[in-house]
Amino acid sequence: KAGVTQTPRYLIKTRGQQVTLSCSPISGHRSVSWYQQTPGQGLQFLFEYFSETQRNKGNFPGRFSGRQFSNSRSEMNVSTLELGDSALYLCASSSRPDTQYFGPGTRLTVL
Amino acid sequence: QKEVEQDPGPLSVPEGAIVSLNCTYSNSAFQYFMWYRQYSRKGPELLMYTYSSGNKEDGRFTAQVDKSSKYISLFIRDSQPSDSATYLCAFSSGAGSYQLTFGKGTKLSVIP
Repeated sequence: KAGVTQTPRYLIKTRGQQVTLSCSPISGHRSVSWYQQTPGQGLQFLFEYFSETQRNKGNFPGRFSGRQFSNSRSEMNVSTLELGDSALYLCASSSRPDTQYFGPGTRLTVL
Repeated sequence: QKEVEQDPGPLSVPEGAIVSLNCTYSNSAFQYFMWYRQYSRKGPELLMYTYSSGNKEDGRFTAQVDKSSKYISLFIRDSQPSDSATYLCAFSSGAGSYQLTFGKGTKLSVIP
């Protein structure tokens, strides 16, 4: 099976802009989760989508949003970018709670 | 009290050594326990997963869970330079969500 794919792999944006990241899960996986990874905070949960419905959300401001399509592909959007949003954004797909498979991540740099 | 505590290291060992990595947790709702390995500038890779107390072995890796003490460990036998990476413990309650809560990670270097 093909793994989790994320596009783009690298992004450079300026403060105030918005960005959309994309994730294609492993075939057959209905759950897609997003995480932010920074050196200071580590891996933090953003939100999870299951069959097109958001079923859990982490403690992030409303500037962070996401959606999932009928083919399980997911996108996350960050509006009004801030310097502190610079991070590695990771997508994970799963079909059960004890196994989540991560993509390579999108490295976002905000200038 | 933090939900998950993991010593960030760094931990440096000679090739062939046995490595012990540990995490403690405080959330009794956690029922699923995982270990991930992350190489620099890569996504985390699932190494081991379990949902019961006791040991689970896979090749050179052994995951150990003690639910009564809220303590999990990962042992690496015959460590290799290719094991040099950051190791992350992760937890899930599985209750209505697959959300993972991670430790901060332990950076391991295996010296040839």
